[in-house]
Amino acid sequence: EAGVTQSPRYAVLQEGQAVSFWCDPISGHDTLYWYQQPRDQGPQLLVYFRDEAVIDNSQLPSDRFSAVRPKGTNSTLKIQSAKQGDTATYLCASSFRQSSYEQYFGPGTRLTVL
Amino acid sequence: QQKVQQSPESLIVPEGGMASLNCTFSDRNSQYFWWYRQHSGEGPKALMSIFSNGDKKEGRFTAHLNKASLYVSLHIKDSQPSDSALYFCAYMPNYNVLYFGSGTKLTVEP
Repeated sequence: EAGVTQSPRYAVLQEGQAVSFWCDPISGHDTLYWYQQPRDQGPQLLVYFRDEAVIDNSQLPSDRFSAVRPKGTNSTLKIQSAKQGDTATYLCASSFRQSSYEQYFGPGTRLTVL
Repeated sequence: QQKVQQSPESLIVPEGGMASLNCTFSDRNSQYFWWYRQHSGEGPKALMSIFSNGDKKEGRFTAHLNKASLYVSLHIKDSQPSDSALYFCAYMPNYNVLYFGSGTKLTVEP
């Protein structure tokens, strides 16, 4: 069974530039999460979806960050105007609510904003 | 406010030794607790979950939960160099969202 895949694996930007991250969850998983993991810290939830619906985006900096999952499968997280404080690894995870609640993580995208 | 406090921040144990990691949490409504492990360059991977008070053993790993004391721990017996990684405790207050601690960096020296 294929795991969660993410692309790109690395991104380096200047402040003010835009960037998009793409996630392909495990097939059949109805719930998809985006986390931000600053260096030497634990992951922090940004947003999560059940199928195509946003369930909680309260931690998403809405003025610059956006996330979509239009068909309830793949998802894209976008930063419109990146800041140095956005430097972190962005992790995607998926789960199936009818099973054990375990979240399966992708390898992440490491973002550096100069 | 940090909802999950992990200790120690870093830990070095010899190969074959016992590693002990600790977490305290502040949400008395927490129902479900997890230990995740993250090797360098990878995403976190679940080690085990625990939701009942007491001990749960899976191979060399034993988790302990005490909800009254708001405390969860992980003990790794016969530590191997491949166990060197970041370890996170996490809890789920509502079976949806995971709240992670800040992590413990474990180094197992051959």
